[in-house]
Order: sequence, then C-alpha cells, then structure tokens
Amino acid sequence: NAGVMQNPRHLVRRRGQEARLRCSPMKGHSHVYWYRQLPEEGLKFMVYLQKENIIDESGMPKERFSAEFPKEGPSILRIQQVVRGDSAAYFCASSAQDRTYLYGYTFGSGTRLTVV
Amino acid sequence: GENVEQHPSTLSVQEGDSAVIKCTYSDSASNYFPWYKQELGKRPQLIIDIRSNVGEKKDQRIAVTLNKTAKHFSLHITETQPEDSAVYFCAPGYSGGGADGLTFGKGTHLIIQP
Repeated sequence: NAGVMQNPRHLVRRRGQEARLRCSPMKGHSHVYWYRQLPEEGLKFMVYLQKENIIDESGMPKERFSAEFPKEGPSILRIQQVVRGDSAAYFCASSAQDRTYLYGYTFGSGTRLTVV
Repeated sequence: GENVEQHPSTLSVQEGDSAVIKCTYSDSASNYFPWYKQELGKRPQLIIDIRSNVGEKKDQRIAVTLNKTAKHFSLHITETQPEDSAVYFCAPGYSGGGADGLTFGKGTHLIIQP
C-alpha cells in the first residue's frame, strides 16, 4: 500500500499562472480532504470530496480555487491566477469512511507551492 | 465553527523529562480528540487519539487526557527523546458530520534539549 500520494512535491509558479495539485488516496479510500498550511501555522481545512462529489467546500476561497475527484484518477486541487499569498504547503488526506466516524486521517507528503 | 487553542506555542524540555501540551476547544459537540506530530518538512502523522467516552489513553511514552467539562485535552510525553522534537497539533472534531473537517490548532514546537 503506497499510502496517500501527492504530486508534485514542489511546485513553483509565477504570479498569474495556474497550479494543479494532485492527490491519489490510499487504496480502498474514497474520501479525500485538502488542507492548506501556511508557514508557521496549523492546517486549515479547504474541501472534502468523495468520488465525483464535493461534500463540503466551506474552507475554499470563493475565487480562483476549485477541486474535483473524478470517477477515475486522482483528486485535483486547482488554483488559477496564483498570487504570492497562495504560497503554502497543501496536504491531502484520505479515509475509508466519511468523517462522521473520524478515524483519523492519513496525510500525503504535501505539495509545497511557491509563487514567485 | 470550532475555536482551537494550543498552549504553549513553544516548549523546551531536557531530554528525559516530561512534556505536556494542552488544547482547548469551544464546540461542546466535539467528541473526537486526536494529536498529530509533524517533523520539519514532513507530513502530519496521527500519534494518538481519544474519543469522548474515554478520559485517558496511553500508548507507551505518550498519553492523552480529556476533560470534556472544561473542554480541553492534553498530550503527555514522558522520558522525552531527541526524536520527539517536532510540531504537535491537536485537531478536535465531532462524528456528527457538519460543515468542517478537523479544526487544527496552530501547533506547539517541542524542542528536546540534549
């Protein structure tokens, strides 16, 4: 079991470009959560998805950010027209059951986005 | 939403001594109380968790205690070792579903002095 896989590990984008972050959940897991971690800060919830469904996106900025988890393939977090304030570590976590049971998350290694 | 605070923000202890980190939360509906450890540049990893029907849980050198009435829970690390140096996050949540995922505290930097 390869665990939660995120790629790329590091991503550098110029202001105004698009950033696409990918997350493949653990085998057998169908629930994916995205968190953002700013330097010296805790993790902030962004979005919770199941296959082909966004369950809760209450933590997502209203503009420029979107997420999907298609039937086939990884979950994608997309940030359009990136700005310097988007520079952060983005962590994906997966679980086998929905968060109503909260058995704890398994996090991926994260994608460190740097906007220059 | 849940308001989570951790204290202290930085804790320095001598190797071999004990460390205690406290997490206070605001949502009385919370019934799941995990602690995550994050080493520099690495992913957060669950190290111990407790549910509200239990007051204390221990796993070797680490333990978590819960005071639901006062709405706080604490991480205890005994006989600290250099590899315990990391940032520790609490992340209370509840199993009734709702709008948010786990709400993480801002973290506590634990420094083990040799």
